[in-house]
Amino acid sequence: DSGVTQTPKHLITATGQRVTLRCSPRSGDLSVYWYQQSLDQGLQFLIQYYNGEERAKGNILERFSAQQFPDLHSELNLSSLELGDSALYFCASSVEASSTDTQYFGPGTRLTVL
Amino acid sequence: DQQVKQNSPSLSVQEGRISILNCDYTNSMFDYFLWYKKYPAEGPTFLISISSIKDKNEDGRFTVFLNKSAKHLSLHIVPSQPGDSAVYFCAAAPTESGTYKYIFGTGTRLKVLA
Repeated sequence: DSGVTQTPKHLITATGQRVTLRCSPRSGDLSVYWYQQSLDQGLQFLIQYYNGEERAKGNILERFSAQQFPDLHSELNLSSLELGDSALYFCASSVEASSTDTQYFGPGTRLTVL
Repeated sequence: DQQVKQNSPSLSVQEGRISILNCDYTNSMFDYFLWYKKYPAEGPTFLISISSIKDKNEDGRFTVFLNKSAKHLSLHIVPSQPGDSAVYFCAAAPTESGTYKYIFGTGTRLKVLA
């Protein structure tokens, strides 16, 4: 158990809908990262927050947005969903925001868009 | 453009023998490298890392070797155990660029046969 929690574990929805994925980092971690893993692909970095502020952005679609709240939990919002958004979404956390800080991953949310 | 490549999607090894997982990268700005292990229905778990100032890092049965001139790293597991059966991802990060994201390979599925 990494100490990072993600809810829900599974989500099934229809095209055009909007969903929110939630992540609680390990106690004491200030940085939260979101990754997407599509079928047979590596983990693609989406976005990073550090202590409530956006720190780095990857190939995140405009239909996707995220935020980190004062209690440090984070939410990833996916809107106007398309079939291609079906994937595993992982959240990770680290103590600080350096590349050499080990990122600890949650169990992921499996999103299925029908 | 795949900056981190794991060209072997799968590998089978007999229990007790050595497992060697390979990873190549193209971006010379990468100077910090990690290996993660992933079991089904779980998030990736940090295994071992190496900075570009070293060419080897060892942790128990796991050793990572880095060949900067060849832009190649490898993970050696000795001796391999059935519990090592998982998907292994290598990841790379540039520590000086001000970005904090990991770039992941697509993974190698290791099967250790009893």
